[in-house]
Amino acid sequence: AQKITQTQPGMFVQEKEAVTLDCTYDTSDQSYGLFWYKQPSSGEMIFLIYQGSYDEQNATEGRYSLNFQKARKSANLVISASQLGDSAMYFCAMREKSGGGADGLTFGKGTHLIIQP
Amino acid sequence: ETGVTQTPRHLVMGMTNKKSLKCEQHLGHNAMYWYKQSAKKPLELMFVYNFKEQTENNSVPSRFSPECPNSSHLFLHLHTLQPEDSALYLCASSQGTGSVNYGYTFGSGTRLTVV
Repeated sequence: AQKITQTQPGMFVQEKEAVTLDCTYDTSDQSYGLFWYKQPSSGEMIFLIYQGSYDEQNATEGRYSLNFQKARKSANLVISASQLGDSAMYFCAMREKSGGGADGLTFGKGTHLIIQP
Repeated sequence: ETGVTQTPRHLVMGMTNKKSLKCEQHLGHNAMYWYKQSAKKPLELMFVYNFKEQTENNSVPSRFSPECPNSSHLFLHLHTLQPEDSALYLCASSQGTGSVNYGYTFGSGTRLTVV
């Protein structure tokens, strides 16, 4: 079973609109971290936002916010007032503390976001 | 500049060649990682090093050989690769492997083409 599911392979959004990128995850751990990364066509993975499983408040970083619904195991990324430069691949990822240690990030397949003028 | 530098950015190699990818981080992190990103697949974790000791080898074929001489440098030695090994190879570092709070800082990747 996939640990991270991103159901939107591609999205087209008008500039200045808000956009929500979906992410659901699967874990039996109580302690885990959720991350979103942006990957422009240049290839570099850019960290956007982090949410810990014990954090009660939704994380926010500038125009990015994370809609964390723990019971639904959902961690959607919301980008407000989208800009042309937001066009990129977006990856949701999770870090678990299984087996006594964290073994690395598990990534979803990504969503290709295109912002249209 | 993220603090993680990968060289070369692009590499074309024949199936009989031997080449190496290099990754260097200037962030004082203790853990380094190699990931493979193929078209239409999720990122695949290949190797994890923590304090220059390998802690994970994710069933990677032996034609990929990692080397971590210190916490700041990571290499991926390549030999007798196959065309299906063509992909973007990403290096990342993090403070360590002991906490779910530790995210990664990535390099820009090496785009590898095997001909």
